[in-house]
Amino acid sequence: DTGVSQNPRHKITKRGQNVTFRCDPISEHNRLYWYRQTLGQGPEFLTYFQNEAQLEKSRLLSDRFSAERPKGSFSTLEIQRTEQGDSAMYLCASSLGSGATDTQYFGPGTRLTVL
Amino acid sequence: QKEVEQDPGPLSVPEGAIVSLNCTYSNSAFQYFMWYRQYSRKGPELLMYTYSSGNKEDGRFTAQVDKSSKYISLFIRDSQPSDSATYLCAMKGGSSASKIIFGSGTRLSIRP
Repeated sequence: DTGVSQNPRHKITKRGQNVTFRCDPISEHNRLYWYRQTLGQGPEFLTYFQNEAQLEKSRLLSDRFSAERPKGSFSTLEIQRTEQGDSAMYLCASSLGSGATDTQYFGPGTRLTVL
Repeated sequence: QKEVEQDPGPLSVPEGAIVSLNCTYSNSAFQYFMWYRQYSRKGPELLMYTYSSGNKEDGRFTAQVDKSSKYISLFIRDSQPSDSATYLCAMKGGSSASKIIFGSGTRLSIRP
């Protein structure tokens, strides 16, 4: 399977714990995006990378959230001191980055439940 | 007010019917318009991608964009039970041409 992959698919944690999610983009895609989706809503943009550079961050991304893409390949999203409001589906997408018309391909998501 | 408004449904129609899904938006800078399909517990899958105003057809799917009215539509002909999913309208452009702004999604059910 050469699509976007995300791990883990599900994560249950207690409030106050730290969690880390991983995204592996489609090979050779230089852009990688993180979105968050809550029940009954569309995905909301969090941040994106072009290669290893983080180019944009949403105001939704509080200082408890950090994302990295160390070698321009896979990316990690870490949430520190999780809160119940962090419960959501975290989606990763990648694209070739060929201008504004490029297509973002989404992974299956990581579903986070904070108890 | 949200930048993109979409009726959440649910919308239930019999198999074979024509389905019409719609979104309105407020940001006139949007230039690229998309429809994604999302099955339960899966990631969104791109269905249609259009630039500026006009129509685009792909098989049973037709996307329409009317920038003057800030209104986009997706039509599904000969609907099938396998079309049952949530349909998300999405758009981008303007000051941030990379991030996609999504509607809240319309849940569609096709009855056999």
